[in-house]
Amino acid sequence: DTGVSQDPRHKITKRGQNVTFRCDPISEHNRLYWYRQTLGQGPEFLTYFQNEAQLEKSRLLSDRFSAERPKGSFSTLEIQRTEQGDSAMYLCASRGPGTGREAFFGQGTRLTVV
Amino acid sequence: DAKTTQPTSMDCAEGRAANLPCNHSTISGNEYVYWYRQIHSQGPQYIIHGLKNNETNEMASLIITEDRKSSTLILPHATLRDTAVYYCIVRVGNNDMRFGAGTRLTVKP
Repeated sequence: DTGVSQDPRHKITKRGQNVTFRCDPISEHNRLYWYRQTLGQGPEFLTYFQNEAQLEKSRLLSDRFSAERPKGSFSTLEIQRTEQGDSAMYLCASRGPGTGREAFFGQGTRLTVV
Repeated sequence: DAKTTQPTSMDCAEGRAANLPCNHSTISGNEYVYWYRQIHSQGPQYIIHGLKNNETNEMASLIITEDRKSSTLILPHATLRDTAVYYCIVRVGNNDMRFGAGTRLTVKP
């Protein structure tokens, strides 16, 4: 399968712990996006990479959140000192170069903070 | 990016065409219209997109009005597996996509 891959699919963590999620985009897709989705809501944009450069960050991305995309391939999203409000589905999407291209999403990582 | 307006929910009989409307009255000339759907607990699935012309693929058809202020996604023969939340999004260039609440489509037997 050459789709967007996210790992892990599910994560349960205690409040205050740090967690890290990984996203492997479709090969040769230079654009990578992170979204967060809570129950009953549409996905909310968090951040966007073009190759290894992080070009945009949402106000939702507090200081406890950090994302990286070393070498412009896979990306990681880390949440430090997790809070119960961080419980959500974290989605990754990737898109190829050029305008008018569609983005493809992974199956997401569901985070539960207890 | 332009804002979109969609009905909160719709029903459709199995085997019939499902027509999902979307208003994007503030769309600019270089913004594309994208449709995605999300089945419970899965990531959004790309359906179709277009700029000016109507588009058709193996999943659906996209009809964009001449003034581009609205569009309709058509699922020609809805099945129970098409029950999902459908999102209409407009986006320009390399920008991210901003999702609204979407339309919850329920296909009934």
